[in-house]
Amino acid sequence: AQSVAQPEDQVNVAEGNPLTVKCTYSVSGNPYLFWYVQYPNRGLQFLLKYITGDNLVKGSYGFEAEFNKSQTSFHLKKPSALVSDSALYFCAVREGAGANNLFFGTGTRLTVIP
Amino acid sequence: DAGITQSPRHKVTETGTPVTLRCHQTENHRYMYWYRQDPGHGLRLIHYSYGVKDTDKGEVSDGYSVSRSKTEDFLLTLESATSSQTSVYFCAINGGLQETQYFGPGTRLLVL
Repeated sequence: AQSVAQPEDQVNVAEGNPLTVKCTYSVSGNPYLFWYVQYPNRGLQFLLKYITGDNLVKGSYGFEAEFNKSQTSFHLKKPSALVSDSALYFCAVREGAGANNLFFGTGTRLTVIP
Repeated sequence: DAGITQSPRHKVTETGTPVTLRCHQTENHRYMYWYRQDPGHGLRLIHYSYGVKDTDKGEVSDGYSVSRSKTEDFLLTLESATSSQTSVYFCAINGGLQETQYFGPGTRLLVL
């Protein structure tokens, strides 16, 4: 069965510092991995995805994520945090090309402190 | 929001009443999904559709039914609303299984 863990409910970082939001996953097949961001009273916005290929994936708004198969992780990173990055971040996994469902983590609230 | 609208955006209802939420897309995508978002649970899949009149259950389907009579519309019905169905409901679409799911703006439902 697929599952996603986001071990930190809350991450605080100072503006200008690098940020990391952690995600680990469990699937029996090849994982398709996604990051979404949710701003207050809004739907989820797609940030980036890993399907295959280069382990470092670049996405919207300067975010990137690194796929690590041995550690079953897909951490979201940004070199320099902005106050406007403050939001709720969700990691999600789909088990391969034939699977329909996305399984989501419980979310990590990122607060960037001015 | 990728050509997806949801209606209503907010609804307050009473326990035992039927409720229907609508998702409308202008992307002509084959796949449509209904999720609910609750604190501590992230998003959980309720039902999904892989074509007109083709639907299947998700992780938390009890108490919910869906219908898809047209490509662009996917309806979620709570036959008899309960307080445990108070939640934020999101619709999502994608054009193919290898593609990204895009989400609508959500419907906030309060069952009193």
